[in-house]
Amino acid sequence: GIQVEQSPPDLILQEGANSTLRCNFSDSVNNLQWFHQNPWGQLINLFYIPSGTKQNGRLSATTVATERYSLLYISSSQTTDSGVYFCAVERGNDMRFGAGTRLTVKP
Amino acid sequence: NAGVMQNPRHLVRRRGQEARLRCSPMKGHSHVYWYRQLPEEGLKFMVYLQKENIIDESGMPKERFSAEFPKEGPSILRIQQVVRGDSAAYFCASSPPATSARAQYFGPGTRLTVL
Repeated sequence: GIQVEQSPPDLILQEGANSTLRCNFSDSVNNLQWFHQNPWGQLINLFYIPSGTKQNGRLSATTVATERYSLLYISSSQTTDSGVYFCAVERGNDMRFGAGTRLTVKP
Repeated sequence: NAGVMQNPRHLVRRRGQEARLRCSPMKGHSHVYWYRQLPEEGLKFMVYLQKENIIDESGMPKERFSAEFPKEGPSILRIQQVVRGDSAAYFCASSPPATSARAQYFGPGTRLTVL
């Protein structure tokens, strides 16, 4: 099956800093999503981005499908950004998640 | 428009009992997915259903686990004779009936604890 790798596995930031999270995948996909799982376990859909660039407030994402990676940018991080960020790719009916990047934003 | 709803949010069972987890998709969504998140692990796909059909159950354990999505009512994930290793967060997601790739929207999850 398709392999999904996320980096870095852990990231600690000071409030206000910027960060870039990366998602690499091993095969062509027809869907890619970024999710945020907050410290209370709730999963939030951030971006549905099989290709191109999208922005939503302080977050933006870029997927380069031909090179099989996606990037999630977080600018001016806040403590509420803490949690685990998952990248998920879909090929046909098969959806695979990466292991996640655990982000901790310190005040 | 209410989001994906799951109940119960927390479920405690003793070994050998049955667990039933319910998922009501978003209005207008006819595709449901179940995922399991074991402690300190990522999300793992379990099963993909449309109304009255199981499309892909490649992630379901071969025994004790079953899922359904009837014509009326919520999708049900059923775990028979639970064991401690079944303790996990179970998430349901739904997506609309489009033929092309589509976004999935997650419910709040059900946290199952097996004593």
